[in-house]
Amino acid sequence: DTEVTQTPKHLVMGMTNKKSLKCEQHMGHRAMYWYKQKAKKPPELMFVYSYEKLSINESVPSRFSPECPNSSLLNLHLHALQPEDSALYLCASSQDITSVETQYFGPGTRLLVL
Amino acid sequence: GIQVEQSPPDLILQEGANSTLRCNFSDSVNNLQWFHQNPWGQLINLFYIPSGTKQNGRLSATTVATERYSLLYISSSQTTDSGVYFCAVEPPNTGFQKLVFGTGTRLLVSP
Repeated sequence: DTEVTQTPKHLVMGMTNKKSLKCEQHMGHRAMYWYKQKAKKPPELMFVYSYEKLSINESVPSRFSPECPNSSLLNLHLHALQPEDSALYLCASSQDITSVETQYFGPGTRLLVL
Repeated sequence: GIQVEQSPPDLILQEGANSTLRCNFSDSVNNLQWFHQNPWGQLINLFYIPSGTKQNGRLSATTVATERYSLLYISSSQTTDSGVYFCAVEPPNTGFQKLVFGTGTRLLVSP
């Protein structure tokens, strides 16, 4: 099974709301990633978790708060977002962060901030 | 940081045609992958190809690491090949599997 799942598929939220995105994988991977993709642009890395610990934060604003409750789950908590944060949020996983193997991506959550 | 440029940016093909997509990168890389992003946003792995040539059905890829480019060949294209093709590279000395995505090639295959 090479599947990464993400929920919800779509999310509309106001600037004062708090919401969470969820990502799950059951491949036994120990590295998980959050990417942000604006329309007609390539994905850009936001966070990297390795063995459930935050390893990399690519200077992401604090209104985005990642969490890795266990080795299969990755959450992204959203609070006080701006309209420019509207994007496709992609989760990925790989064997570990130094692996030379491929990353596997989920289908993404399309977020619209009003 | 490393620059990853893809060409052409847009490509329109008739079903059954062949095409070549190119990925140029500005520095040596540890890893290179090709992805297809379908119209619903799903990124699908096509190849992990830091060097050499690989084939998978109608698709094949070649990476010439010493000359810093990779090519993706699509033969006998089908409408389901439509979407955006990204190459993604892992720069050296980052200490982790950081993928830097290229600018993408948007492909439309018409029936």
